[in-house]
Amino acid sequence: TQLLEQSPQFLSIQEGENLTVYCNSSSVFSSLQWYRQEPGEGPVLLVTVVTGGEVKKLKRLTFQFGDARKDSSLHITAAQPGDTGLYLCAVNNNDMRFGAGTRLTVKP
Amino acid sequence: EADIYQTPRYLVIGTGKKITLECSQTMGHDKMYWYQQDPGMELHLIHYSYGVNSTEKGDLSSESTVSRIRTEHFPLTLESARPSHTSQYLCASSEYIPAGELFFGEGSRLTVL
Repeated sequence: TQLLEQSPQFLSIQEGENLTVYCNSSSVFSSLQWYRQEPGEGPVLLVTVVTGGEVKKLKRLTFQFGDARKDSSLHITAAQPGDTGLYLCAVNNNDMRFGAGTRLTVKP
Repeated sequence: EADIYQTPRYLVIGTGKKITLECSQTMGHDKMYWYQQDPGMELHLIHYSYGVNSTEKGDLSSESTVSRIRTEHFPLTLESARPSHTSQYLCASSEYIPAGELFFGEGSRLTVL
C-alpha cells in the first residue's frame, strides 16, 4: 500500500482550464510538501504546508492541507503550457517519501 | 540555485560491471538521499543518510551500497550492474530540520546493456 496516493495519475487539459490534483493518505503528517518536476530535471519544491486547514497561494496555484492533516490538494487556475510537468506530494516520515505523482499536460 | 552535483550525467555499461555514481553538495546539508526514477514515473527511495557515518536503506536498496565519510559526499555503488538497473538516479540533500526542503541534482541516467 502506497503511503501517499495521488490522483489523477494523468491529466491532459487545454490552456486556460482549471484543475485540481489530490494527495491522500490514511496517516497523519506534521507537514506535507508539493514538488514539480520537468523532464530531465530533479523535482523542485513548490510549497510546504504544516497546519491543518492551511491554504497557501503561489500565483495561480492554490495548495490546501486537510483539516486532519491526512490529505492535500493543488488547484491551478487558468493553466498554461508552462505548467506541464509531474506534480509530486511528499512527506517526511523519518525519511522523505513521495507519491507516484500526477502527470499534467497543458495543451496550447 | 541548488549546489548539488551528480556525475556522470549519462552512463552506458555492460552487465556485471561495478559502477559508482557520485553526488556532492556544497550547502553543508546533513541529510542526503538517493532515489531511483524511471522516466515520468514515481521516485523510489534507495538510501538516505542523517549525516557522517550514517546510512539507512530505503525501499530498493538491496542491490546497491552507499557511504557517507564526508558531509558533502554521498556516492552510490552497484557492485554488479544488470539491465534491471537501467534507470535515472537522483541525489538530494536537505537540512536536518522538520519539513526541510529537498534540493535535487540533475540526475545520473544509467543504461546497462
